[in-house]
Amino acid sequence: AQTVTQSQPEMSVQEAETVTLSCTYDTSESDYYLFWYKQPPSRQMILVIRQEAYKQQNATENRFSVNFQKAAKSFSLKISDSQLGDAAMYFCAYRGGGSNYKLTFGKGTLLTVNP
Amino acid sequence: NAGVTQTPKFQVLKTGQSMTLQCAQDMNHNSMYWYRQDPGMGLRLIYYSASEGTTDKGEVPNGYNVSRLNKREFSLRLESAAPSQTSVYFCASTRTSDTQYFGPGTRLTVL
Repeated sequence: AQTVTQSQPEMSVQEAETVTLSCTYDTSESDYYLFWYKQPPSRQMILVIRQEAYKQQNATENRFSVNFQKAAKSFSLKISDSQLGDAAMYFCAYRGGGSNYKLTFGKGTLLTVNP
Repeated sequence: NAGVTQTPKFQVLKTGQSMTLQCAQDMNHNSMYWYRQDPGMGLRLIYYSASEGTTDKGEVPNGYNVSRLNKREFSLRLESAAPSQTSVYFCASTRTSDTQYFGPGTRLTVL
């Protein structure tokens, strides 16, 4: 079974600074997808960014980018120019290439942004 | 577009009571999912329905049943609630290889 590990239960960053959240995963599949979801205090799960394993280029979405290291099974999220609204719980998730599209989540990293 | 909707938003039950959590999506998605979120545990899959007419167990199915009523609706039933089922429950849906979209969650407390 696939596992997703987020080794940082909590992180903090100063407003306007850059922070990197770590995620590692374990799989024997070659075709899969990786996601970062954000969960603010409102509890809503919001997709931040996704990465297809077959793509070598790292995904970017505005201030959010990933460092995808397939051989190392590592998928970190970098948040640049951090804003107060970035404060949230961040979850890394894995989805295999099969047809059921199930997600396996890490336990999350709570990000605090200090003004 | 409402996306994924869940009812109720909050619920308090006594041990042994039953209830059904409702989920509906208006995005014409084939696959639907039920997750539970507990502190320090992330989200764990309870049941899923890869397509209309099919349901399968996820990681933590014990104590739950599901019904895929039609393509839009996927309900989760607790037949005899236990305090261990106190959690936040999320429904999600996806088309095929697309992203999963989540509902707003239901906070359930079992006393």
